[in-house]
Amino acid sequence: AQRVTQPEKLLSVFKGAPVELKCNYSYSGSPELFWYVQYSRQRLQLLLRHISRESIKGFTADLNKGETSFHLKKPFAQEEDSAMYYCALNPPVGSRLTFGEGTQLTVNP
Amino acid sequence: ETGVTQSPTHLIKTRGQQVTLRCSSQSGHNTVSWYQQALGQGPQFIFQYYREEENGRGNFPPRFSGLQFPNYSSELNVNALELDDSALYLCASSARGRAEAFFGQGTRLTVV
Repeated sequence: AQRVTQPEKLLSVFKGAPVELKCNYSYSGSPELFWYVQYSRQRLQLLLRHISRESIKGFTADLNKGETSFHLKKPFAQEEDSAMYYCALNPPVGSRLTFGEGTQLTVNP
Repeated sequence: ETGVTQSPTHLIKTRGQQVTLRCSSQSGHNTVSWYQQALGQGPQFIFQYYREEENGRGNFPPRFSGLQFPNYSSELNVNALELDDSALYLCASSARGRAEAFFGQGTRLTVV
C-alpha cells in the first residue's frame, strides 16, 4: 500500500532561517512525488514535482529513493512562505494522489 | 484559462440525507478526481472520472458515487449521509495521463 508521512504537523522558524519540511513515503515502485501548498484562504496548488528538478519560490526538493524521502528545503525562509504544505505521491500510471497529513509552516518576523 | 470551480461553497445536511456536489474542470482538462479532506488531515482520494466513466476508486463505500458529463464537469453524490462525512470535498482536474492536478476551492459539507 502507498503511504506518505509528514512527521511534523507544525513547524515554526524565523525569517531568514533555513527550513526543511520532511516527507517520507512507502511505495513498491517508482512513484512521482509532489509538494502542494495551501496559503491562507487560497486553494491547494502545486509547488513542485520531483521530475522537473526545478526551484520554485526558492524551494527545492530532492527525491532520495534509498531513504524513500522527498524533503522540501529553502535556505532562507520568508514570511510569505507561511502556509500548509502537503507532500503527495502518485503511482507511475494514472493520476491518484496520496497525500500526507500536512505541515503547517509559520515564518516569524 | 478558466480554473476549477466547485459549488456550493458550504452546505449543511442532516444525517441520512443525500447530497450532490458539483465541479467544473479547468479548460482543456478531461479528467476529474474527487478528494475528501477531514479536519486536520490531508486529502483522501475518493474516485476519478475520465470520459464519463469511473477510472479508479479509493477506499470509500458505494454510497459515494459520481458522474462526469460530456463537457467534463462532474458531480459527487453521497447517499445516507453520516456524521463522519463532514469534511471539505475537493475536486481536481487534470489532462489525461498527467499527474499534475489543479484543485478547486472545495465544498465544506457539515452533517448534523
